Amino acid sequence: NAGVTQTPKFRILKIGQSMTLQCTQDMNHNYMYWYRQDPGMGLKLIYYSVGAGITDKGEVPNGYNVSRSTTEDFPLRLELAAPSQTSVYFCASSLGLAFYEQYFGPGTRLTVT
Amino acid sequence: AQTVTQSQPEMSVQEAETVTLSCTYDTSESDYYLFWYKQPPSRQMILVIRQEAYKQQNATENRFSVNFQKAAKSFSLKISDSQLGDAAMYFCAYRMIQGGKLIFGQGTELSVKP
Repeated sequence: NAGVTQTPKFRILKIGQSMTLQCTQDMNHNYMYWYRQDPGMGLKLIYYSVGAGITDKGEVPNGYNVSRSTTEDFPLRLELAAPSQTSVYFCASSLGLAFYEQYFGPGTRLTVT
Repeated sequence: AQTVTQSQPEMSVQEAETVTLSCTYDTSESDYYLFWYKQPPSRQMILVIRQEAYKQQNATENRFSVNFQKAAKSFSLKISDSQLGDAAMYFCAYRMIQGGKLIFGQGTELSVKP
């Protein structure tokens, strides 16, 4: 199992550009999450999904969109990139809620200039 | 709203010694889950240990153990026999009983001196 994979690993965007961060998991997990980690801070939830076709907002959803058409994939879309979106983005998945372990991808470092 | 606070931005320990990382949290819930994650320079988030709030017994995983004080809303991590590979950022996290999202503290950077 590859676990949770994310692409790209690094990206530099200009202000106003758009991009999609890809996330794929091969563990057949229903639950998937997107977090962002700002320098010197813990992770904050952007969006999450409890299954294909079902998504919901987390703490910091503004400026982002998600979709979940399959169990495996959970892409994060950035529209009109802003410098405030410079961060490291982590995708995670879990078999269930609550006590179940969340498995994290390696992260995508995004810089918006 | 739930919050998690780690008051030690940096900690240092001598190899083979013991170190304790502090975490406090605020919640009005009676049942929840608590986690410690390790983030080495590779950025990979790795689960170290987890605790169910309704269990009084402190969780242990090999050299890692917690001191869970529910009334004080405290959840510290003890690392025994510290190894160079333990050097990393450590995050404390909270999760509601039926919750999906993890709420993270700000992190504590642990360095291990040989």
